Amino acid sequence: TQLLEQSPQFLSIQEGENLTVYCNSSSVFSSLQWYRQEPGEGPVLLVTVVTGGEVKKLKRLTFQFGDARKDSSLHITAAQPGDTGLYLCAGARSGNTPLVFGKGTRLSVIA
Amino acid sequence: EPEVTQTPSHQVTQMGQEVILRCVPISNHLYFYWYRQILGQKVEFLVSFYNNEISEKSEIFDDQFSVERPDGSNFTLKIRSTKLEDSAMYFCASSERLRQEAFFGQGTRLTVV
Repeated sequence: TQLLEQSPQFLSIQEGENLTVYCNSSSVFSSLQWYRQEPGEGPVLLVTVVTGGEVKKLKRLTFQFGDARKDSSLHITAAQPGDTGLYLCAGARSGNTPLVFGKGTRLSVIA
Repeated sequence: EPEVTQTPSHQVTQMGQEVILRCVPISNHLYFYWYRQILGQKVEFLVSFYNNEISEKSEIFDDQFSVERPDGSNFTLKIRSTKLEDSAMYFCASSERLRQEAFFGQGTRLTVV
């Protein structure tokens, strides 16, 4: 069973469009991270959310943690080709447990 | 900016050989992790390490795997007798004690032939 389900799996959009990707689970997480991974490289941390309902902004990226801390979304405004990559969500179920990763959303932004 | 560094970036080894993958975590971090990612698949947890001992490990981390922190800076993953299916990207990560933000290295691509 997939602890963290990410959707969509693939997304191809034109430059300037907005998009939202989702990370869902039936489990509660104490914290959830979003990473971006380029081919052949390690995941790069974008943000951590810890409080239910929390919203964090990172330039054109808006991250939201669900009220029940079971899901999260990433919204990108006016996507650019530089946003292309694999977006991974990862959650920790309690303070000292290891991160569990979703399979990721592969985003392609076409100029 | 502090970062996790991994060496080598690419390792090719014969099946049955031992390999050691090396990592230097961020210096003030106390938790260390190894993850792997088979090509095209998701990032999978292998093991976490705290206070000089394994704190948690997955079912992937069988007797062929071991981890060590031989000195104050290095954190190593050893695969005793590599199998073809061990071919993957291996990522080291580290985090501060009370936070789960894990910072990842660039990875070692292990190819078993």
